[in-house]
Amino acid sequence: DQQVKQNSPSLSVQEGRISILNCDYTNSMFDYFLWYKKYPAEGPTFLISISSIKDKNEDGRFTVFLNKSAKHLSLHIVPSQPGDSAVYFCAADPNTGNQFYFGTGTSLTVIP
Amino acid sequence: DAGVTQSPTHLIKTRGQQVTLRCSPKSGHDTVSWYQQALGQGPQFIFQYYEEEERQRGNFPDRFSGHQFPNYSSELNVNALLLGDSALYLCASSPSGGLRSFFGQGTRLTVV
Repeated sequence: DQQVKQNSPSLSVQEGRISILNCDYTNSMFDYFLWYKKYPAEGPTFLISISSIKDKNEDGRFTVFLNKSAKHLSLHIVPSQPGDSAVYFCAADPNTGNQFYFGTGTSLTVIP
Repeated sequence: DAGVTQSPTHLIKTRGQQVTLRCSPKSGHDTVSWYQQALGQGPQFIFQYYEEEERQRGNFPDRFSGHQFPNYSSELNVNALLLGDSALYLCASSPSGGLRSFFGQGTRLTVV
């Protein structure tokens, strides 16, 4: 039972443009959401997070939006850079206990 | 400051054998979680250790067991290996009450 879904396995974007990665979840008990980035042969690295009491969190080029009524979150990267090319995982935590439910990932390619 | 370190990086085992994977958490972190990432999937939560006790467990059979030592390092043991246990095993650490986890580079287990 996949409680966190990333329906786009891959995304290609031109350098300088906006990348939008989407994530849907089914469990309304999730109260904390995170995005992790993963390069080949490395472990996931934390990118940005958002609490369920907020609808937006921004950190530099990265912004995460949360729509609780739609059970949907998205990650915006502006402007996209070639170094952003990686697999991005959406994760949800039901009780801020660091027990994460991950999506299947979206492979982002930023074309120079 | 060393991050989360895992050993070994790669491992090949025969079906039916037993395997032990090791993890040293990031300095100052006392909570260790283990995840299994099958090919093309997102990481799946196996269990979490805190104060040398298993605190939470995901949907994995009893063949998967673990241990946490007084220095917070941890082991993941898998008995009676199946071909389907072939995956990347990720260790993540966090400070107690922390809201995000730091991941190691993983151990690639291949069962033949």
